[in-house]
Amino acid sequence: GNSVTQMEGPVTLSEEAFLTINCTYTATGYPSLFWYVQYPGEGLQLLLKATKADDKGSNKGFEATYRKETTSFHLEKGSVQVSDSAVYFCALSPSGSARQLTFGSGTQLTVLP
Amino acid sequence: DTAVSQTPKYLVTQMGNDKSIKCEQNLGHDTMYWYKQDSKKFLKIMFSYNNKELIINETVPNRFSPKSPDKAHLNLHINSLELGDSAVYFCASSHLSENYEQYFGPGTRLTVT
Repeated sequence: GNSVTQMEGPVTLSEEAFLTINCTYTATGYPSLFWYVQYPGEGLQLLLKATKADDKGSNKGFEATYRKETTSFHLEKGSVQVSDSAVYFCALSPSGSARQLTFGSGTQLTVLP
Repeated sequence: DTAVSQTPKYLVTQMGNDKSIKCEQNLGHDTMYWYKQDSKKFLKIMFSYNNKELIINETVPNRFSPKSPDKAHLNLHINSLELGDSAVYFCASSHLSENYEQYFGPGTRLTVT
């Protein structure tokens, strides 16, 4: 079956530090890949997505590249801010359908001033 | 003009009671979902409806029954509540298409005492 493995947290960084959150997946075919963010007390919001190999998703300074050869979709940001503190979820949707998202376990990020 | 709304936001109840959580979306989407997020932030899909028809039903106890009166609403009814049902329940909606993201509601925190 499909699965997503995420780097375990929590992750604590100082403001302006470089962020990487690792994500690898197991799926047949060519799934779509997503990063969702959950701010405290809120629902999930789509941060970025990539639908085919070598696609790079980007938003709000965050980037992730769909690497089929390593089945990875690592999230990066060059300089984090306090406002980036949240839980980040990597997810996949099987090829041909957006009906079912499989999520990773989430990574709590705390950015200190 | 909230996109996906849920009521109530908080629900505290005793074991054995029956309760419902309501979800409405005004995005014109044809597919709606219920997810359960446990205390460790792990997210798992429970149900999905497309045009009022059940298309995903994960291994959820039959005490949980989704009801979709129309495309814009997907309610979750839970019978004989148990302590293990305590979690945050998220509703989401999307178009049934590969490239459309899922939009999440703010969540309902259910506490069973």
